[in-house]
Amino acid sequence: GAVVSQHPSWVICKSGTSVKIECRSLDFQATTMFWYRQFPKQSLMLMATSNEGSKATYEQGVEKDKFLINHASLTLSTLTVTSAHPEDSSFYICSADWELIVGTGGNTEAFFGQGTRLTVV
Amino acid sequence: AQKVTQAQTEISVVEKEDVTLDCVYETRDTTYYLFWYKQPPSGELVFLIRRNSFDEQNEISGRYSWNFQKSTSSFNFTITASQVVDSAVYFCALSDGSGAGSYQLTFGKGTKLSVIP
Repeated sequence: GAVVSQHPSWVICKSGTSVKIECRSLDFQATTMFWYRQFPKQSLMLMATSNEGSKATYEQGVEKDKFLINHASLTLSTLTVTSAHPEDSSFYICSADWELIVGTGGNTEAFFGQGTRLTVV
Repeated sequence: AQKVTQAQTEISVVEKEDVTLDCVYETRDTTYYLFWYKQPPSGELVFLIRRNSFDEQNEISGRYSWNFQKSTSSFNFTITASQVVDSAVYFCALSDGSGAGSYQLTFGKGTKLSVIP
């Protein structure tokens, strides 16, 4: 089945530094990927929609200059948390649009990466 | 606007008991998709089921079953004969059908299920 790989699975960084998280579709092409954030014991909230070859669409309240999204190829979207602060500590998870899974005749699930646990100290 | 409500924040059951997790949704769309995901402590999301708005047939998969009722906008999830491995946070989610499958999901707040041996 289709696989979405997210890297790293966890990262600890110092306040003020930037962290890049990668989301790859391993056996299919995804023109659209989604980035979610989950604070401890909270639900998943959509941050932005990543579109290959164009600018990402951010949800209300999400700072586009702080959370840089790049979707330069059909198999890779990256989320960069710039000038990270402790309040950015969270679980970040990506998903890929199922519609473009080639050869499956239309799949039945949204494919999520494994998630990245970011801790800013 | 879409909304998913999981009123049960935490549930504890003794192993082998049956448990039902409630999910109520709101949407103005006539075509939409409903999901259930399991999130174990490790954090990854495990897909359990997708149901589209035109398919109200209930589904059973092993110890899992789902009851979709459009009349009450509910999509409840039942685990029969619960096991310790079922302990996790369970999320109900909703996606509209306008994107021909684009899964921009609205999640409920999740229900933490603890199965006690």
